[in-house]
Amino acid sequence: AQSVTQPDIHITVSEGASLELRCNYSYGATPYLFWYVQSPGQGLQLLLKYFSGDTLVQGIKGFEAEFKRSQSSFNLRKPSVHWSDAAEYFCAVAAVDSGAGSYQLTFGKGTKLSVIP
Amino acid sequence: GAVVSQHPSRVICKSGTSVKIECRSLDFQATTMFWYRQFPKQSLMLMATSNEGSKATYEQGVEKDKFLINHASLTLSTLTVTSAHPEDSSFYICSARDRDQPQHFGDGTRLSIL
Repeated sequence: AQSVTQPDIHITVSEGASLELRCNYSYGATPYLFWYVQSPGQGLQLLLKYFSGDTLVQGIKGFEAEFKRSQSSFNLRKPSVHWSDAAEYFCAVAAVDSGAGSYQLTFGKGTKLSVIP
Repeated sequence: GAVVSQHPSRVICKSGTSVKIECRSLDFQATTMFWYRQFPKQSLMLMATSNEGSKATYEQGVEKDKFLINHASLTLSTLTVTSAHPEDSSFYICSARDRDQPQHFGDGTRLSIL
């Protein structure tokens, strides 16, 4: 079964500073990987996803993530954080049921991002 | 972009009441819908997966008689928490997907049982 580890429960950065949120996964084959953001009391919004191809993936809101197979990682980055980026971020991995072309997501426990003005 | 509407956003009710939560895909056909539960400071836990016109598939440990899921059309799924008790209080989130496309999430329903 697949699993996702987000080692950092809470990260605080200053506005304008760079950001990297860590995500490690465990899965026997090439995974589908996702990053979602959740604002307080809200549902999840998809930031970006990796299915195949270029290992550096660009997402919305200026985020990017890099798939590193050798490290089983899919870290999320942003060069300059804005106060509105304060939220909780979830990394997720999907195991692909190749027969049906469908998949289910397994989520990490999330990393809460606080931004200091 | 794809929009999923979840209603109501907040419910407060007495113990023993049954509560229905709706999840609608507004601009796409949701061949599959998922229901998640989120405990405070925890990640999302998948409760069940439903495909349109089929019975839902429940995750281990989720009581199917407690959490009734109906996915009668390509745009609507409902979760009914039957005879709710305080331990059922939680944040419930639905998501919907068109075939192999990424999931899109509703804004969640905060359920409080008194």
